[in-house]
Amino acid sequence: GQNIDQPTEMTATEGAIVQINCTYQTSGFNGLFWYQQHAGEAPTFLSYNVLDGLEEKGRFSSFLSRSKGYSYLLLKELQMKDSASYLCAVNSGGTASKLTFGTGTRLQVTL
Amino acid sequence: DAMVIQNPRYQVTQFGKPVTLSCSQTLNHNVMYWYQQKSSQAPKLLFHYYDKDFNNEADTPDNFQSRRPNTSFCFLDIRSPGLGDAAMYLCATSRRGRVSNQPQHFGDGTRLSIL
Repeated sequence: GQNIDQPTEMTATEGAIVQINCTYQTSGFNGLFWYQQHAGEAPTFLSYNVLDGLEEKGRFSSFLSRSKGYSYLLLKELQMKDSASYLCAVNSGGTASKLTFGTGTRLQVTL
Repeated sequence: DAMVIQNPRYQVTQFGKPVTLSCSQTLNHNVMYWYQQKSSQAPKLLFHYYDKDFNNEADTPDNFQSRRPNTSFCFLDIRSPGLGDAAMYLCATSRRGRVSNQPQHFGDGTRLSIL
């Protein structure tokens, strides 16, 4: 079976750093994606990890530990526009990505 | 530049009346996906096409069908919509390659309401 867990909601202050955690138990693993989804809009790709360690992309970083079935997304210098849902998704397919999504973490950035 | 385009953005249909949602892409990706996303839930994969090869998820109801007449277009047909089918339907595309790091690119979705 596939199981992906994320916190439902988080709140953080503008300019701060926030870490969104994701734990997974899946029947296969071929990489983990993070997507951002604003209300009523399409998910947009943020990052991808397949090897253990940290991937950095500007204000966003993502970390993966395969042995622990754990990932996190780190957002630095938070801006109001970062208020959105953040979806963790595991690719359990082959070279055609077949994603199982978590329910997402709704992040509210406040002044 | 819109790359994955879904029409319409909002669709209202009657209980039991067939409805078709459409998706087109300008990315020339060989894989196209349909997801159902209900409020505050994860997107749930319904099926995907690798080129013309159709791959249905085991728990996708028979009520949901799909067609892909060419690389650019994919359709989702709901034969007899029920109240439980009200949701956002997301189309996505990806390139299938030798490595698994190809992200999926999503359209803006079609929000389906059932009267």
